[in-house]
Amino acid sequence: DSGVVQSPRHIIKEKGGRSVLTCIPISGHSNVVWYQQTLGKELKFLIQHYEKVERDKGFLPSRFSVQQFDDYHSEMNMSALELEDSAMYFCASSLPGQGGSDYTFGSGTRLLVI
Amino acid sequence: GDSVTQTEGLVTLTEGLPVMLNCTYQSTYSPFLFWYVQHLNEAPKLLLKSFTDNKRPEHQGFHATLHKSSSSFHLQKSSAQLSDSALYYCAFPLMSNYNVLYFGSGTKLTVEP
Repeated sequence: DSGVVQSPRHIIKEKGGRSVLTCIPISGHSNVVWYQQTLGKELKFLIQHYEKVERDKGFLPSRFSVQQFDDYHSEMNMSALELEDSAMYFCASSLPGQGGSDYTFGSGTRLLVI
Repeated sequence: GDSVTQTEGLVTLTEGLPVMLNCTYQSTYSPFLFWYVQHLNEAPKLLLKSFTDNKRPEHQGFHATLHKSSSSFHLQKSSAQLSDSALYYCAFPLMSNYNVLYFGSGTKLTVEP
């Protein structure tokens, strides 16, 4: 079990550009949640998918879309990037029904928009 | 609406002194509460989860007690270690969706020699 895998680890994009972040959950974890961490502190809930269906949306900008695939991996498509999108993006996975007590976070993707 | 509050943004302590990080919640129900810890350049990890039967969870010397009367779940440790320096988050699940956690604003703990 290699844990939750996120890629890329670091990425630099120009303002107005596009990016794709990938999250591979732990095998069997069908619940995948995305968070944004800015200024090294606040963890802001973006979106949750469970069994390939979007279940809850938080602060996900309309410029971003997230999809969960048959193998439960998740991709975040980001477009029209803005400087304020610069942040660390974490995904977390868990078995259904066990919620936060079984969250495993990935190592995150650090996005810098210049 | 439901929320969790961590009043201290930064806490600096000398090694060996006790630690207490505050967490209070406002909720229309009695949720589970969690403490997560994030060391520098690492991902957040679960530290503690409250029990429903008022037992006190403990892990790595840390403990926390859920007090429903005061809506609090403060994190405590009797003696701080240098390795405890990290970001600490209090979190609780959405009432409507237990699979999503909302995190507090976080407390950065720095333990100095």
